[in-house]
Amino acid sequence: GAGVSQSPSNKVTEKGKDVELRCDPISGHTALYWYRQSLGQGLEFLIYFQGNSAPDKSGLPSDRFSAERTGGSVSTLTIQRTQQEDSAVYLCASSVEGVSGANVLTFGAGSRLTVL
Amino acid sequence: ILNVEQSPQSLHVQEGDSTNFTCSFPSSNFYALHWYRWETAKSPEALFVMTLNGDEKKKGRISATLNTKEGYSYLYIKGSQPEDSATYLCAFSRSNDYKLSFGAGTTVTVRA
Repeated sequence: GAGVSQSPSNKVTEKGKDVELRCDPISGHTALYWYRQSLGQGLEFLIYFQGNSAPDKSGLPSDRFSAERTGGSVSTLTIQRTQQEDSAVYLCASSVEGVSGANVLTFGAGSRLTVL
Repeated sequence: ILNVEQSPQSLHVQEGDSTNFTCSFPSSNFYALHWYRWETAKSPEALFVMTLNGDEKKKGRISATLNTKEGYSYLYIKGSQPEDSATYLCAFSRSNDYKLSFGAGTTVTVRA
């Protein structure tokens, strides 16, 4: 697509429920990243995909968080048994390739998650 | 976790005035410094990527400088306009690392 698409744009859920956030990167971008921004904090790295594999999951805050990417394209971030501290804006970004830290990231508009 | 600091956290500018703000980062193993602009309800948008000490980049009324030896970058906005109102994020990467470490941002509000 023309840009990075994320859905839903807004999600309100009850504590303990599972949520899925979706990211559709720019066609041809092999690298995909998930970041999140909690209130008053900087963007926090969650996970990085190169193609379908995730060589770096070091940022996932707990085993309730998981992510997958299929066909080298769409990625889904799943949060199980949501907690209030999971409330944040979840941003997805893609880049042409992920080897270099100088690659420009193209971000989606984010999914705002509120856990009541 | 790499410590990237941005200051001030927020600032208000009168339309037509110029302003600048800072990003500081670890100076060891530097690879690249990014600036992004994030307007409310939109996606963060890349402004600049700088890799060399002394780099200066310009895009319209916005420019940035880089000092890798002392670990800081300045972003300047000349003749601020209301459309410049946004949060400006800087991000740093180390050698051999694709991950960007982001600062918390500087939120600029331009008053007409």
